[in-house]
Amino acid sequence: EDQVTQSPEALRLQEGESSSLNCSYTVSGLRGLFWYRQDPGKGPEFLFTLYSAGEEKEKERLKATLTKKESFLHITAPKPEDSATYLCAVQGRGSNYKLTFGKGTLLTVNP
Amino acid sequence: DVKVTQSSRYLVKRTGEKVFLECVQDMDHENMFWYRQDPGLGLRLIYFSYDVKMKEKGDIPEGYSVSREKKERFSLILESASTNQTSMYLCASSSPSHGELFFGEGSRLTVL
Repeated sequence: EDQVTQSPEALRLQEGESSSLNCSYTVSGLRGLFWYRQDPGKGPEFLFTLYSAGEEKEKERLKATLTKKESFLHITAPKPEDSATYLCAVQGRGSNYKLTFGKGTLLTVNP
Repeated sequence: DVKVTQSSRYLVKRTGEKVFLECVQDMDHENMFWYRQDPGLGLRLIYFSYDVKMKEKGDIPEGYSVSREKKERFSLILESASTNQTSMYLCASSSPSHGELFFGEGSRLTVL
């Protein structure tokens, strides 16, 4: 069974204070690892897909990296508008298109 | 851009009522999914469909059924709503060639 654990559960940063969110996973043959952003009361918004260890993707202040056991979402010089819940999900080769999600990290960036 | 539209953002129903949640996607995706999201439990898969009239149970299908008569539309049905089905329901779609799911805005259901 695929499993995803995200840490920390909640993170408070000051504007401009860079940090990282962690996503640890176990999966039988990784097909893809996905990062989403979710604002309160809304559906998750797709950010990145990573397929193999060593891969990196960037978008504005966000950078996602992948190893064989975990992924990091690095946030550089965050702004208050980056405040959201960040979700990590994996898709295994035997999953038949299903994604298994972690419980998320609630990020708050104070001005 | 992919657009997944859920018919109702907020619903309030009474115990025992039949509830329909509708979802439409405009990207010709083969796969469609229904998740529910609860505080502390995260997103849990209820049902998914990989083709018209095809469906598979997810992790928590009890108390739910689904219907997919057309490729673009996937409906979630609560035959007899119960209070423990109060939740945020999220519909998503994807293509087989790309694993990422695209979500709708969600339907927040309250069962009294």
